[in-house]
Formats: sequence, structure tokens, C-alpha cells
Amino acid sequence: QVQLVESGGNLVQSGGSLRLSCAASGFTFSRFGMHWVRQAPGKGLEWLANIWHDGSNEKYADSVKGRFTISRDNSKNTLFLQMNSLRGEDTAVYYCAKGENHCAYEWGQGTLVTVSS
Amino acid sequence: QSALTQPASVSGSPGQSITISCTGSSSDVGGYNYVSWYQQHSGKAPKVMIYEVSNRPSGVSNRFSGSKSGNTASLTISGLQAEDEADYYCSSYTNSGTWVFGGGTKLTVL
Repeated sequence: QVQLVESGGNLVQSGGSLRLSCAASGFTFSRFGMHWVRQAPGKGLEWLANIWHDGSNEKYADSVKGRFTISRDNSKNTLFLQMNSLRGEDTAVYYCAKGENHCAYEWGQGTLVTVSS
Repeated sequence: QSALTQPASVSGSPGQSITISCTGSSSDVGGYNYVSWYQQHSGKAPKVMIYEVSNRPSGVSNRFSGSKSGNTASLTISGLQAEDEADYYCSSYTNSGTWVFGGGTKLTVL
């Protein structure tokens, strides 16, 4: 049974940094690409970033390119999102998702990031 | 990376069928058969209902179906049930190697 557990969400000041983690279990982590998706309060889903199964390629949404970095440690079955230069509009629930069948096939429960000014 | 266009809301009575549209461009929806649909109940994580335009994951009711014509994809829910009331999002792969979501559609079961 696939399980994805996000952690690291917190209250942070504008301009600050935060690192999110996503612990994966129940599948062979190193065989699948992974995504980060966020949802601002009362708003829709926004795709943020994707990383290939072996970490050799990454893609980002324009809204976070240059500020956020996706990475993974396949030896620890963990996905990361390093977030720098945080802004108020980055306040959201952040989800990690397993990439399969060309979509975000399995999702974690999310972790809340609040950026205060 | 413009969001895909969905109606803000749709509604239907129990037993009826509804269709939610998702319009993109030839750079995303029209260019790839990689459209997916997600259901999100209030306060919960999204759940994939349709992938690769028309495929249903194991465990998803066959009342849910997907299709695509040109730059517009559609999700149809037949035999509407109270438990179907939720937000629905479409998503597509793009020619930039990224993904994009629609703005979401709130389904109300009357």
C-alpha cells in the first residue's frame, strides 16, 4: 500500500527558507518520478515541480523556478522541496505525489506552509 | 503555463449525468493523451479518477468516464450520487515537459 507522508511545513517569515520532506513507502521509490503540488487556502491545485526516478531531470512551474528546488534521496525513499525567498503567495498546503501513468497517481495528505509578512 | 479552463461550478440531481469540460491548447490537452482528472472532497487530498484521457484506476466507479476532442477534455459522471459532491480538477502534460491543472469545478448534487 502506497504511503506518502509530507513534513516540514511551518510558519516562516517572508524572504525566509523552508525544506519540505516526503517519506515514501509501499512501492519501489527509485522506479518512479515524483511531483510537488500546492493548494493555497480556498484556491485550486497548482503543479510545482517534477523529478525523474533517478533524479537526472527536473522541471518547474514558472512561479517557483529559481526559488524552489526539488530533489530526492533514493537510498532513504525521500523526496524534498527546498523553498527559498518565500513570499506571502507561497502560503499553501503542499502535497507530494507519485508519478505514474503520466499523472499524479497517489498523493500524500499534505503539509501546511504559512508565510507571514 | 496558463491554467486549463474549467467551469467554476456544475450541478445535477441524483441519478442524472453531468459533464465537466477542460479546455487547453495544442501545447497541452490537444497535443498529448496525458489528461487526468482528480476528485477532492473538502479538507482531503486529491484522488485520481481518470488518467491518460479515459482510463480508470482500480477501485474507481465505472460511473466516471473521460474523453477528449481536440483541445478539450471532458469528465462525465453518470448516475450521480450524493458522495460525488466534490471539487474536480483536470490536468495535462505540456510540451514544456511540465504539468498544468485546471482551475477546478465545484460539483453540487441537488
